[in-house]
Amino acid sequence: DTGVSQNPRHKITKRGQNVTFRCDPISEHNRLYWYRQTLGQGPEFLTYFQNEAQLEKSRLLSDRFSAERPKGSFSTLEIQRTEQGDSAMYLCASSPGGGVLYNEQFFGPGTRLTVL
Amino acid sequence: DQQVKQNSPSLSVQEGRISILNCDYTNSMFDYFLWYKKYPAEGPTFLISISSIKDKNEDGRFTVFLNKSAKHLSLHIVPSQPGDSAVYFCAASEYTNAGKSTFGDGTTLTVKP
Repeated sequence: DTGVSQNPRHKITKRGQNVTFRCDPISEHNRLYWYRQTLGQGPEFLTYFQNEAQLEKSRLLSDRFSAERPKGSFSTLEIQRTEQGDSAMYLCASSPGGGVLYNEQFFGPGTRLTVL
Repeated sequence: DQQVKQNSPSLSVQEGRISILNCDYTNSMFDYFLWYKKYPAEGPTFLISISSIKDKNEDGRFTVFLNKSAKHLSLHIVPSQPGDSAVYFCAASEYTNAGKSTFGDGTTLTVKP
C-alpha cells in the first residue's frame, strides 16, 4: 500500500496525558499537512511542512501541540497535557509539492483521539 | 469567521439524476478550489479542482463551475450513482499560501437507487 498511513488509528487517553501520532506520507511527497476534524465539521488546518521545514502553524495549534518532520520523511504530532476538547479525528495528508504551486492532497485514514 | 461555507448539510437525489453541491467563499484571495469526497472511516479523497482563471472544469461525470464575482462554486454530478453517496468537502487555497487549504463543513450526498 503506497498511500498515506497513520498510526495509531484510535487512541483513548486520560485527561492530562501526552499522546503522539505518527504519519507516513506517500514517498517522494515533499509536503505534509496535519488537520483536525470534529463531528459535523470539515478538516481544520493545523500545520504543514515542506520537506523538514515547518512553514506554517495555525493559531489552533496551542503551545501544547508540537509537530516534527525529521529528515523530511514521516511526521509526528504530539499533544501534551491532553484536554477533553482535544478529542477529534487528526488527519494527515501529503502532496508532491516541488515546482507545482497547488497540489491536491492525499489523506490518510486519520487517528481518532478520545480524551476521557 | 468561516471563509468557506457549504450551506446545505445534506442532499438526497435519485439515481441517474443530477446532483448539485454548492460552496460559497468570502476570501477574495482564494484562487484555487478543490472538491474532496469522504467515505466513512476513510480520509478525504481528491475529486476535482479548478483554478480561478477558469470557470469550468470537467472530469467524466463530475463538473465544477466557478463564479468569481459571486464567490460561488458548484459541483455537478451527472448521472448520480449510489456509489457517489458520501460527504463532499469544498476547499480553497490562495496563491500567497498555497500549502494551506481551508475546508467547508461538507455536504452529505445520498443517492437513492
